Amino acid sequence: AQSVAQPEDQVNVAEGNPLTVKCTYSVSGNPYLFWYVQYPNRGLQFLLKYITGDNLVKGSYGFEAEFNKSQTSFHLKKPSALVSDSALYFCAVLILTGGGNKLTFGTGTQLKVEL
Amino acid sequence: DAGVTQSPTHLIKTRGQQVTLRCSPKSGHDTVSWYQQALGQGPQFIFQYYEEEERQRGNFPDRFSGHQFPNYSSELNVNALLLGDSALYLCASSMRGTGFSYEQYFGPGTRLTVT
Repeated sequence: AQSVAQPEDQVNVAEGNPLTVKCTYSVSGNPYLFWYVQYPNRGLQFLLKYITGDNLVKGSYGFEAEFNKSQTSFHLKKPSALVSDSALYFCAVLILTGGGNKLTFGTGTQLKVEL
Repeated sequence: DAGVTQSPTHLIKTRGQQVTLRCSPKSGHDTVSWYQQALGQGPQFIFQYYEEEERQRGNFPDRFSGHQFPNYSSELNVNALLLGDSALYLCASSMRGTGFSYEQYFGPGTRLTVT
């Protein structure tokens, strides 16, 4: 089965420090990978995607992600964290079939940025 | 440019009842997907509609059904509600026709509570 895994339930970082939220994938064929963020009682907001091309993908709000094929990883990064980045982050893989497509999500990582 | 909208925001139902949730996709999008997010978990794919037909279905019972209208809006119906159906129901829209887009954009969700 094609899936993504987020090994950390929670990540704590001080404001101004770099942050990394980890994601690994298990996909047959080319992986289509995504990061979404969810604030309390809200829907998911799209941050960035990797489809093909450069391994470093830049997204919204200063976030970026590095696609690493040899390590089957797609970690989310930000050079300098803000308190307002505190939220729930989901890694996802898009699975294409003849009929349609669907996102399969990881279990989520709660990011807490402290002053 | 209106994003994905969902109604109602919150809903409380009794076991055994039926519920209908509604979704309007982002302008220019023709595909609607529905996800269920139980508390503390990642979203789970229910089904996807394109050209008014169900194109792909996740591992959900037949109590979950849907519909897509000619204006691309969609409904999710759940019959014979169970306590376990309590969750945040998310609608996501994307473009499958001319100009396929990989990313899905999510609405704010409908919080369903079954008592």
